[in-house]
Amino acid sequence: AQKVTQAQTEISVVEKEDVTLDCVYETRDTTYYLFWYKQPPSGELVFLIRRNSFDEQNEISGRYSWNFQKSTSSFNFTITASQVVDSAVYFCALSEANFGNEKLTFGTGTRLTIIP
Amino acid sequence: ETGVTQSPTHLIKTRGQQVTLRCSSQSGHNTVSWYQQALGQGPQFIFQYYREEENGRGNFPPRFSGLQFPNYSSELNVNALELDDSALYLCASSFGQQARTDTQYFGPGTRLTVL
Repeated sequence: AQKVTQAQTEISVVEKEDVTLDCVYETRDTTYYLFWYKQPPSGELVFLIRRNSFDEQNEISGRYSWNFQKSTSSFNFTITASQVVDSAVYFCALSEANFGNEKLTFGTGTRLTIIP
Repeated sequence: ETGVTQSPTHLIKTRGQQVTLRCSSQSGHNTVSWYQQALGQGPQFIFQYYREEENGRGNFPPRFSGLQFPNYSSELNVNALELDDSALYLCASSFGQQARTDTQYFGPGTRLTVL
């Protein structure tokens, strides 16, 4: 069975600080996909990134970066120079690549608060 | 915005009633997935529809049922509502094809309150 653990329930940082959100996953499959979604107070889940299990290259998109390490089953998310607009709940999710059930398994989320 | 829409936005029902939630998928997508998100929790997979057929189901009882229409929009029906069904219901659309997992894009959700 697949499982995603986000051990940090809540994080608060002062604006312009860097912050890293941790994600650890469990799966028996060799082919799988990892995702990060952002959920602002409005409730809609906003897609941030999708990585497959064969691509361990770190990715950077503006102030966002992701560190994927298969050896530790982790897919961590770093926000550099945080801004108030980054305040939201962030979810890490896992999908196994078995067509027929593309369900996403989500972690419990990390609530990030950026203090002005 | 993702182009995925859901209706209604909010809904209040009483125990034992039935409810229907609706979702319109993003243009070009043929797969709709439904999730239940209880307060303070991550979304839980209910089921998925691909080309009008159920394509996977999570650990939800049969009183949770769904439909997908030829235009790929979808409905989630819940019978005999219980207090624990109070949650945010999220719909996600994606383009599904054999041996490939595509990104799911979510709608704004329907917040259901059961009294």
